[in-house]
Amino acid sequence: EPEVTQTPSHQVTQMGQEVILRCVPISNHLYFYWYRQILGQKVEFLVSFYNNEISEKSEIFDDQFSVERPDGSNFTLKIRSTKLEDSAMYFCASSFPGPTSQHFGDGTRLSIL
Amino acid sequence: GIQVEQSPPDLILQEGANSTLRCNFSDSVNNLQWFHQNPWGQLINLFYIPSGTKQNGRLSATTVATERYSLLYISSSQTTDSGVYFCAALRQGAQKLVFGQGTRLTINP
Repeated sequence: EPEVTQTPSHQVTQMGQEVILRCVPISNHLYFYWYRQILGQKVEFLVSFYNNEISEKSEIFDDQFSVERPDGSNFTLKIRSTKLEDSAMYFCASSFPGPTSQHFGDGTRLSIL
Repeated sequence: GIQVEQSPPDLILQEGANSTLRCNFSDSVNNLQWFHQNPWGQLINLFYIPSGTKQNGRLSATTVATERYSLLYISSSQTTDSGVYFCAALRQGAQKLVFGQGTRLTINP
């Protein structure tokens, strides 16, 4: 069964540094998402991406965050100047258009020191 | 936006017991998914079930969309069933899944 793959599985970064999290969605999916989960809390939506543009974003997704689909397979989340509170598990997901299941990757655990 | 509430927050059972986890949601949904988060943090997709009933081995789920709730049943629990179970709902016309706070299930041998 096709899977969403995320790299790296664990990223440790100094506060203030830029970090890029990478995702390869399922190949024929058209919607792409990023979610995050702070330790011990529920999973929260960050952003959705369709047709090469952001289609919806949450209040969390401020100017320090950006997303990009640099080629036909990758989908990235960039955090420009990381803060301690950005430490979390970040999940990428993808789906077909319409009411259908969202498929999640295994996550990237981001630790900001 | 849509509210998703799960109960109970914690559940401790002995191996072999059956369990029922509940998810209430506040609006009409296009999508209702159940996940199991394992100790490594991975979200394992259990069911996509915006309505009706599905079964997969010892697990089954039922969503009654008109009454805005979904139930996850686990029969003959095993220690490997331990972890946090999340439901997540997608309101009609929206794109983001809204997750509940989860039910932490502990199965003791």
